[in-house]
Formats: sequence, C-alpha cells, structure tokens
Amino acid sequence: DIVMTQSPDSLAVSLGERATINCKSSQSVLYSSNNKNYLAWYQQKPGQPPKLLISWASTRESGVPDRFTGSGSGTDFTLTISSLQAEDVALYYCQQHYGTPYTFGQGTKLEIK
Amino acid sequence: EVQLVESGGALVQPGGSLRLSCAASGFTFSTYWMHWVRQAPGKGLVWVSRIDIDGSNTDYADSVKGRFTISRDNAKNTLYLQMNSLRAEDTAVYYCARNLRPGQWLPLDYWGQGTLLTVSS
Repeated sequence: DIVMTQSPDSLAVSLGERATINCKSSQSVLYSSNNKNYLAWYQQKPGQPPKLLISWASTRESGVPDRFTGSGSGTDFTLTISSLQAEDVALYYCQQHYGTPYTFGQGTKLEIK
Repeated sequence: EVQLVESGGALVQPGGSLRLSCAASGFTFSTYWMHWVRQAPGKGLVWVSRIDIDGSNTDYADSVKGRFTISRDNAKNTLYLQMNSLRAEDTAVYYCARNLRPGQWLPLDYWGQGTLLTVSS
C-alpha cells in the first residue's frame, strides 16, 4: 500500500499569512504514460464531508479560491494557502488515487494564530 | 444538482450485520465509479471500497476484505455496503463518494453527509 504522510499534524497561522502543508507518498504517484500526479487535496470542516480542492496535484477545482495552490511531483507535494482567511480553518487531507487501496494522509489541522 | 444521501447507519452488536445505502441523484449514476470512505470519531479518512460502473469490478481495504461487500443497483441509482462480522473498530461515519468524472483512478468530487455506524454491546 502507498503510505501518505502529512506534515505538520497541526498548524497555526495568522490571518493574511501563508500556510503550507506538506504531503509525502511512500512511492511515486506520477503515472509516466500521461505525466499526471494522482494526488488530490481535500478540505474538511467540522460536521461536514470532505470537499475536493485540488486534483492532479495542482488543478484547482471549480469554485475553489485562487489562494489555494497545489504543487509537487512524484512523491513530494505541497498545499499552499497564500493569505489565510477565517473560513479556511479546517482539516486538510492529501490522497493518492494512483492505485487501490486509495490512501489518505493523516490530516493537518489548520487554525488561526 | 448532484446529491448523495446515505442511510442505514445504526447501533449494532459486535458480530452483527448491517447494510448501508446511498441514494444518488442529479447525475448519470450508471457511468460513475463509486466509493465508500469512513471516518472514526475524531480520526482521519479511510478509504473502504470502490465499485465500477456495472459492479463487475470491486476493491476493498484489507481491514474489511471478506467482511464487507459493495454493490450497486443502477436502475435504482443506489449504492450499497453490506457489512458482516462487525467489530468495534468499524465504528465510524460512512460516506459514499463519486469519482470526479466517468472513468477510474480519479479523485472523489461529491460526497454524501455520511451515516453513523456504531458497533458496541
């Protein structure tokens, strides 16, 4: 199984500041035949289901604010929130969909400092 | 509007069985791979199972293999999860979720609100 490891486990950032969450996979999730990284980022707020933010490591989903940026390739990925807003307080998960079992990172809790 | 509505969650004794359902609407259900993902109280997301468009291909997490069965009824636009030999560690909110678009090896773009399974004596 592909193990996904996020860092840090929790993060406190001031409003308007940058937040960076890292995700590392135990093996590459880059599919060579199409040069796509099978890596997604989700946001989950309390009492709600997860929301897909980023697919293919860097493609922002429709309606997701452009302050959210995904980057990385192979085994190392980053979700960056350029200017933290109060509504961004949530849990964030990375997930590989390269193969089954699909696996999620353990989650990163983002709070306001 | 895409909607996924789970039902069937309950309090079940260890060793018991339960079937969860997920009613889909607002999209062509029969063309999408579907998934079950669970989340134990206060814990992270764990992928459970997926099924292809006609039910001929299924995959399971090792923790549920041999105990859970995913299925679908495309005529009823409904996804199921039959759970047998339930254990305390199966206690979780169970979400059904849809692939981003028709095809496999895709992220999950729509999720239901979840249904709670509690396994306890």
